[in-house]
Amino acid sequence: NAGVTQTPKFQVLKTGQSMTLQCAQDMNHNSMYWYRQDPGMGLRLIYYSASEGTTDKGEVPNGYNVSRLNKREFSLRLESAAPSQTSVYFCASRRTANTGELFFGEGSRLTVL
Amino acid sequence: GQQVMQIPQYQHVQEGEDFTTYCNSSTTLSNIQWYKQRPGGHPVFLIQLVKSGEVKKQKRLTFQFGEAKKNSSLHITATQTTDVGTYFCAAGGSGYALNFGKGTSLLVTP
Repeated sequence: NAGVTQTPKFQVLKTGQSMTLQCAQDMNHNSMYWYRQDPGMGLRLIYYSASEGTTDKGEVPNGYNVSRLNKREFSLRLESAAPSQTSVYFCASRRTANTGELFFGEGSRLTVL
Repeated sequence: GQQVMQIPQYQHVQEGEDFTTYCNSSTTLSNIQWYKQRPGGHPVFLIQLVKSGEVKKQKRLTFQFGEAKKNSSLHITATQTTDVGTYFCAAGGSGYALNFGKGTSLLVTP
């Protein structure tokens, strides 16, 4: 089993460009999450999807949109990238919205010039 | 903002010394989770604590949940170089959010 798979692993964008980070899990989990990690800031929740068909804002949702495409897939879109969005992005999944541990993907390193 | 505060932010120890990181909340937590992230890696789940006053051990790691369920700690006895990484606590936020502390980065010198 692959667990949680994120693509791409690395991306360089210019300010104003758009891109979508893809995430898929094969563990039949109901809940999925997107975090960003910046030095000294820990992991900050951007958006999450407690179950298929629902999405909710986390701590830092501005500048991002998400789509829960189906139970397996949860994508994160940057419509107009800004240098402040330079970060490492982690997707994670969990069995249900309030039980179980988070399983993380390997991360996507995004640089916005 | 983040619901849980973690201290210290950094800790540098000699191999064999003990290490403790603390996680504090202003509100009562239903449970708390701990994760470890190795340099360049992704966070990996260590443990979940649910009960007031709970203490759990994993080899040299001891996890505690406070009696009031507002604080937690992770203690490593006799650190090894393999313990290097960042340790995070995580707790439920509003709705079904799961929020992380800022983490404690542990450096172990041989």
